[in-house]
Amino acid sequence: DARVTQTPRHKVTEMGQEVTMRCQPILGHNTVFWYRQTMMQGLELLAYFRNRAPLDDSGMPKDRFSAEMPDATLATLKIQPSEPRDSAVYFCASGLAGTGQETQYFGPGTRLLVL
Amino acid sequence: GQQVMQIPQYQHVQEGEDFTTYCNSSTTLSNIQWYKQRPGGHPVFLIQLVKSGEVKKQKRLTFQFGEAKKNSSLHITATQTTDVGTYFCAGTLKTSYDKVIFGPGTSLSVIP
Repeated sequence: DARVTQTPRHKVTEMGQEVTMRCQPILGHNTVFWYRQTMMQGLELLAYFRNRAPLDDSGMPKDRFSAEMPDATLATLKIQPSEPRDSAVYFCASGLAGTGQETQYFGPGTRLLVL
Repeated sequence: GQQVMQIPQYQHVQEGEDFTTYCNSSTTLSNIQWYKQRPGGHPVFLIQLVKSGEVKKQKRLTFQFGEAKKNSSLHITATQTTDVGTYFCAGTLKTSYDKVIFGPGTSLSVIP
């Protein structure tokens, strides 16, 4: 049963610390999405990769956030330095573009709390 | 900018009552998808609609895509407590790439 995996599942850190979140997309998928979910803002798209290339990161605060795909099996989202307003659930999703089926398969999320 | 809106934001129903959530886009969509997120969980894909006027059913759930491909609805007949969660629509726009925009979701509570 193929699934998107995310680590860590929970993270509590202090303001100013670096946070790295990792995602393993479903094998064979060629798109990866990073979302942030809060009660106030709902699901916000932070970054979108296709074939490991970033296509859209317009929703990501550039000064402290960065997203990369070092290889096809790993996507990372970093926050440096972290701030309390970054507290949220961060979801990674993967999919298969070019098939007409735009389904996104979400991981379980990383619940981040910045004190 | 391009937006996908949903109404209502919240809905409380008595178990057994019907429920409908509406999704509207400011732009014509290539397709629309619906996702369900249980409390504490992650969004899970339900269905994709592609054709103008398309109607699809999954047991007690009926999904419609408008003729102009700008709106969609999800109707649940005779709600059950297992239907509790937030329902998101997500529209695909034809831009330089197939951009998917999620609506804000409708949170459904079912009172037993």
